[in-house]
Amino acid sequence: GAGVSQSPRYKVAKRGQDVALRCDPISGHVSLFWYQQALGQGPEFLTYFQNEAQLDKSGLPSDRFFAERPEGSVSTLKIQRTQQEDSAVYLCASSFLGAQETQYFGPGTRLLVL
Amino acid sequence: GESVGLHLPTLSVQEGDNSIINCAYSNSASDYFIWYKQESGKGPQFIIDIRSNMDKRQGQRVTVLLNKTVKHLSLQIAATQPGDSAVYFCAESGGGADGLTFGKGTHLIIQP
Repeated sequence: GAGVSQSPRYKVAKRGQDVALRCDPISGHVSLFWYQQALGQGPEFLTYFQNEAQLDKSGLPSDRFFAERPEGSVSTLKIQRTQQEDSAVYLCASSFLGAQETQYFGPGTRLLVL
Repeated sequence: GESVGLHLPTLSVQEGDNSIINCAYSNSASDYFIWYKQESGKGPQFIIDIRSNMDKRQGQRVTVLLNKTVKHLSLQIAATQPGDSAVYFCAESGGGADGLTFGKGTHLIIQP
């Protein structure tokens, strides 16, 4: 596709459930980023991949959050035992090479934990 | 902690006027700055960027100004149109951080 795609677009989960959010970056983009955006706030960095290597996971809020990109293209953000405070929009972005280049964002996945 | 912030949460302008959105940053090690536009229900859309070795950069109807002395960034939109209505975020990168640091955003409202 022409841009970054994410699925699902909306996800409702009961507290305690596990969820998996998918990101398809722009074809050929080496770098992939995940961000969390709370209502009315700017996105906050979660984690960064260069190809399949997770180079920075300093923004992951707890060990319930896990991200992977096993083949250096599609990435999955997994949240285990979801809590109400996990409710947010999860944004994925990709860039051609590194972190100091333009990041192009997908539409996001809106997660609501009840 | 260090962060990127915006001076006004909402900016209302008349259609056809110029808009100026301001941003203050505090990380002096940041060397790459970006403006994004976010419409409701969509992801941030890249508008324009600037690196720290420049103080001005122009695009189509948009200009970004960077003042490193006072750590200030601004976005100027010429001849504002209804389609410009959105939340605008400035973001910074650098100083060893891999991800972008975003401000809280300014909601630009266009009056007919």
